[in-house]
Amino acid sequence: DTAVSQTPKYLVTQMGNDKSIKCEQNLGHDTMYWYKQDSKKFLKIMFSYNNKELIINETVPNRFSPKSPDKAHLNLHINSLELGDSAVYFCASSRSGTGHTGELFFGEGSRLTVL
Amino acid sequence: SQQGEEDPQALSIQEGENATMNCSYKTSINNLQWYRQNSGRGLVHLILIRSNEREKHSGRLRVTLDTSKKSSSLLITASRAADTASYFCATVFPGGGADGLTFGKGTHLIIQP
Repeated sequence: DTAVSQTPKYLVTQMGNDKSIKCEQNLGHDTMYWYKQDSKKFLKIMFSYNNKELIINETVPNRFSPKSPDKAHLNLHINSLELGDSAVYFCASSRSGTGHTGELFFGEGSRLTVL
Repeated sequence: SQQGEEDPQALSIQEGENATMNCSYKTSINNLQWYRQNSGRGLVHLILIRSNEREKHSGRLRVTLDTSKKSSSLLITASRAADTASYFCATVFPGGGADGLTFGKGTHLIIQP
């Protein structure tokens, strides 16, 4: 069984469109994340959700909005796509709380190409 | 700038040799973790070392941590072709849990048969 699954794996779209990437984890973790990996492989955290509350929101444009219907899901919605949004987006999850060490479990990534 | 920075950026060795990658960071940490990313795949957690530990082993992996120098190294012994991947270090801030996990840019390791 896939622990963290995200769809779609590939997404090609035109500038200005709106798109969503879905993520689900079956690990029972409390915290989920979205990371962006650029063409140089640099990983930058975008959001994290703990018990349906946003707890990190790095300096990402407000065109990006995370949505978590429950603690097993964290979807990423992107409005008005721009060329610079082209990247691989990774969903991840972890336990949280005292004593947990912060190990992340990643999905396989969603490669977004904006034309 | 990011917390962890790996060195070298790329490393190519022959199968069977040992591979060493280094990571430097800037601020105090709770723990430091190493991840592997195969081409086109997600990151996979390899090993974690806490700030009060100096060395840790897991199979062919050996990690060291020097908090005075704010650096860590990952040694892969007896490398195999399947070890070809990018390796990232990530640091956790005190009290931060995974919320404070920040990644370096990675070392791309190529194992030549």
